[in-house]
Amino acid sequence: AQTVTQSQPEMSVQEAETVTLSCTYDTSESDYYLFWYKQPPSRQMILVIRQEAYKQQNATENRFSVNFQKAAKSFSLKISDSQLGDAAMYFCAYRSAMRGGADGLTFGKGTHLIIQP
Amino acid sequence: DTGVSQDPRHKITKRGQNVTFRCDPISEHNRLYWYRQTLGQGPEFLTYFQNEAQLEKSRLLSDRFSAERPKGSFSTLEIQRTEQGDSAMYLCASSFGLSGTDTQYFGPGTRLTVL
Repeated sequence: AQTVTQSQPEMSVQEAETVTLSCTYDTSESDYYLFWYKQPPSRQMILVIRQEAYKQQNATENRFSVNFQKAAKSFSLKISDSQLGDAAMYFCAYRSAMRGGADGLTFGKGTHLIIQP
Repeated sequence: DTGVSQDPRHKITKRGQNVTFRCDPISEHNRLYWYRQTLGQGPEFLTYFQNEAQLEKSRLLSDRFSAERPKGSFSTLEIQRTEQGDSAMYLCASSFGLSGTDTQYFGPGTRLTVL
């Protein structure tokens, strides 16, 4: 079974600064997808960014980028120019590509990101 | 596109009672997922529907849990004889796809409290 580990329960960053959230995963599969989801307080979870394992190029979405190290099974999220609206729980998630989507996402425990004004 | 909606948003019940939650996915989404999220944890997968067919169930889905998706549209999740350990946020997600590349869109969740 796959597992996802987020070793930072909480991170704090000054507004406008850069912060990196860590995520490692364990799998024996070679083809899979990785995601970062954001869950603001009392609001629904939204996708921040995703990465296909077969792609070597790191995904980027505006201020959000990932550092995907397949051999190390590491998938960190970098948030540049942090904004107050970035404050939320961030979840790293894994999905197998082997079963055509029948598997749900496997989530880590999350990192609570605090933005200091 | 109104997003994924869930009803009710909050449910308080007494132990032993039955509860039912509803999820309305984004129109045209053929896939629907249920997850459970307890305090301080990430969501855990419960079950998956492709159209009206329930194709996957997690071992977390005990016999007291049942889910349906009639006509491949909305879905219901019923918990019978609730226990205090069932207290959690129940999340629904939907997606459109024929492979594993689709993005799941989550609803706001139903928070269940079992007294």
